[in-house]
Amino acid sequence: AQSVTQPDIHITVSEGASLELRCNYSYGATPYLFWYVQSPGQGLQLLLKYFSGDTLVQGIKGFEAEFKRSQSSFNLRKPSVHWSDAAEYFCAVDPYSGNTPLVFGKGTRLSVIA
Amino acid sequence: SAVISQKPSRDICQRGTSLTIQCQVDSQVTMMFWYRQQPGQSLTLIATANQGSEATYESGFVIDKFPISRPNLTFSTLTVSNMSPEDSSIYLCSVVSGTARGKTQYFGPGTRLLVL
Repeated sequence: AQSVTQPDIHITVSEGASLELRCNYSYGATPYLFWYVQSPGQGLQLLLKYFSGDTLVQGIKGFEAEFKRSQSSFNLRKPSVHWSDAAEYFCAVDPYSGNTPLVFGKGTRLSVIA
Repeated sequence: SAVISQKPSRDICQRGTSLTIQCQVDSQVTMMFWYRQQPGQSLTLIATANQGSEATYESGFVIDKFPISRPNLTFSTLTVSNMSPEDSSIYLCSVVSGTARGKTQYFGPGTRLLVL
């Protein structure tokens, strides 16, 4: 079945440490790929997106993500985490390139400790 | 990008009552979606609301429970009818905006609903 998988429900990292959040999808073609962040009590904010081209995409707040076709993955990374990055992160897929609603993963909750 | 506002931002309601949530966009958009996010969960699509046509509901959601209006290209409402505590969730409005090269979905701040 077509799906988006975020295997890590909860991750805790120390402030200043690097971060990688995993996302895998199971769609036949290369879909559009997105990462959103939801801070406590807030709506969803777009971090970055991949449509085509360069497989390493840069986003806001120092985040980047790499699309790997062979692994059907779109992992989110940040070299140095700040306490304000503590939030829920959602990977999302648009399987039909802009004409249908996104399919979301279950989310990964990031906690940041001093 | 698109800037989306929702009203109310939060509400506490009694079971059996109804609440209408408003979604306003700062630009004209064709595609608009309503999502539900139950506590600690991911987003679940309720329906797609395109201007000029009836809303399309996802499996498990029906028009009698979640009637939607889309009177123009910048506005929509979602009503949660005959509420029960199970309806306590965040309800999010979302729109698609962008060029032919790539369209992006943007979200409103959400409406936090607690049903007692």
